[in-house]
Amino acid sequence: DGGITQSPKYLFRKEGQNVTLSCEQNLNHDAMYWYRQDPGQGLRLIYYSQIVNDFQKGDIAEGYSVSREKKESFPLTVTSAQKNPTAFYLCASSNTGGAGYTFGSGTRLTVV
Amino acid sequence: GQNIDQPTEMTATEGAIVQINCTYQTSGFNGLFWYQQHAGEAPTFLSYNVLDGLEEKGRFSSFLSRSKGYSYLLLKELQMKDSASYLCAVRDRPPTGGFKTIFGAGTRLFVKA
Repeated sequence: DGGITQSPKYLFRKEGQNVTLSCEQNLNHDAMYWYRQDPGQGLRLIYYSQIVNDFQKGDIAEGYSVSREKKESFPLTVTSAQKNPTAFYLCASSNTGGAGYTFGSGTRLTVV
Repeated sequence: GQNIDQPTEMTATEGAIVQINCTYQTSGFNGLFWYQQHAGEAPTFLSYNVLDGLEEKGRFSSFLSRSKGYSYLLLKELQMKDSASYLCAVRDRPPTGGFKTIFGAGTRLFVKA
């Protein structure tokens, strides 16, 4: 079955460490997105990519980095520069301009 | 600017009907989406409106008025499993090109017996 897979489901990070969240899709979608979700707030866009080897900053890109070397994969690195990284991270994909996103199951990142 | 407003919480009774409202402001409207999200899980797509009017899909219906910047999600014959957050999202087409989807904070619906 086609879908979008995020791993790991839970991740703990020490302060000062970089961590990378994985996102893979086999839906043949062109566009992929990373969102952050905090309690009481809407999903906020971190980065998005509409084609391979190209990506754009979202509203809260500071302290994050991404790559899009393959259509299927869009990993997100949370760097030590991100001052408040504890959150629920959601990856999504869609056809460009299409109706609706398919979301992964999310990664809950906690800084310890 | 871009803004989406929806109530924070609602409570309804099993078997009843509930309407969740959403108002939005955007410069390049290109569609409105409703998603359902159970606690700790990913959002799942419910509906998409790009033209004015009502879209019905089983127990769920979604309405859009572009001139009023207003949408609602109507849930009929409520079931306990409908207890979840409902996210309103608007796709915007900025002058710079491409598409950008903005999400509201979500409405937490509690269905009681």
